[in-house]
Amino acid sequence: KAGVTQTPRYLIKTRGQQVTLSCSPISGHRSVSWYQQTPGQGLQFLFEYFSETQRNKGNFPGRFSGRQFSNSRSEMNVSTLELGDSALYLCASSNAGAEETQYFGPGTRLLVL
Amino acid sequence: GQQLNQSPQSMFIQEGEDVSMNCTSSSIFNTWLWYKQDPGEGPVLLIALYKAGELTSNGRLTAQFGITRKDSFLNISASIPSDVGIYFCAGRSATAGNKLTFGGGTRVLVKP
Repeated sequence: KAGVTQTPRYLIKTRGQQVTLSCSPISGHRSVSWYQQTPGQGLQFLFEYFSETQRNKGNFPGRFSGRQFSNSRSEMNVSTLELGDSALYLCASSNAGAEETQYFGPGTRLLVL
Repeated sequence: GQQLNQSPQSMFIQEGEDVSMNCTSSSIFNTWLWYKQDPGEGPVLLIALYKAGELTSNGRLTAQFGITRKDSFLNISASIPSDVGIYFCAGRSATAGNKLTFGGGTRVLVKP
């Protein structure tokens, strides 16, 4: 099975712009979670989507949003970018079963100038 | 919110040594996961634990789910240079909506 894929792998934006990141989960996985990873804050949970519905949400401002499509692919969007949004954004998929285990993609490294 | 305290924050290994790291929390978890992250990559799942007291191995790696359900540890036996990286514990708790909470990571480096 192919693993979790994320595009793009690297991105440079300027303050005030918006960005959309994409994640394709492992085939058959219906749950997709997004995380932000920074040296100072570590891995922080953004949100989780399951069957096109947001199931969980972390403590991030409304500038961070996401969605999931019927084929389980997910996108996250960050509007009005700030310098502090520079981070590695990781997507993880799971089968959402009783012993749910998340598998991560390689991440998208976003640099905001 | 829930927090996982992972220690040590960093450690140096010498080839052949056994090393260990642990995660503790004031909250109860029903799943513990251990991941390894190499530079520029996403975390890779090493071991998953689902029951209190469970001891699971994956090659030279062994992890245990603490009896109190508030801690877990990971051991690496006979370390080799490719063990270098950042190791993260993660816990899932029903009281946190089944979200994964991550520890701060243990950075494993090679002794100069």
